[in-house]
Amino acid sequence: SSELSQDPAVSVALGQTVRITCQGDSLRSYYASWYQQKPGQAPVLVIYGKNNRPSGIPDRFSGSSSGNTASLTITGAQAEDEADYYCNSRDSSGNHLNVVFGGGTKLTVL
Amino acid sequence: QVTLKESGPVLVKPTETLTLTCTVSGFSLTNARMGVSWIRQPPGKALEWLAHIFSNDEKSYRTSLKSRLTISKDTSKSQVVLTMTNMDPVDTATYYCARILTDYGDYYFDYWGQGTLVTVSS
Repeated sequence: SSELSQDPAVSVALGQTVRITCQGDSLRSYYASWYQQKPGQAPVLVIYGKNNRPSGIPDRFSGSSSGNTASLTITGAQAEDEADYYCNSRDSSGNHLNVVFGGGTKLTVL
Repeated sequence: QVTLKESGPVLVKPTETLTLTCTVSGFSLTNARMGVSWIRQPPGKALEWLAHIFSNDEKSYRTSLKSRLTISKDTSKSQVVLTMTNMDPVDTATYYCARILTDYGDYYFDYWGQGTLVTVSS
């Protein structure tokens, strides 16, 4: 089982706003980072740290965090945003050098 | 331009040892605050972090697999090697290597290899 919890599936109408959440104790100590994965492709980093986007990631992607929950928000979802999204952070239990991932959320854009 | 590329066998038999190599370019394995991780993904399932090694040679392993994993690096060849012993069919997965960065205490993976599918079967 994953140490970070994500809803398995979320849907959003084209052009609307969607929030994907990630929960876990480690998020009280560390920021989550978020990855987008399309079928047959490697994951791509979309958000890291407090709310940072790598170069090339559209500004419709944003991140936030409160308590043990991190959120990825897509404002004005596009058809090309349909993908699996994973969160990760450092592990705060046991070995803090370790990394934990969420189970992933499949985003469908209607 | 940062790239990572995995190489290794596509098929291994149960109980055999898997050796995967990640060859990197565009950055040095001696750069501070950087390292390389191995992450796998069974077919249709979630990402699973396995291990990482930093520039200072600090290593860490997934707790549940620690006894089976070894990670090492050859800085002169720009390569990171992962070995996993006693392979089992449940280890069938796409194995990725990714660059890991540390930023104010957080870890994130900014560049990924294309992944290599390893099947464990007799």
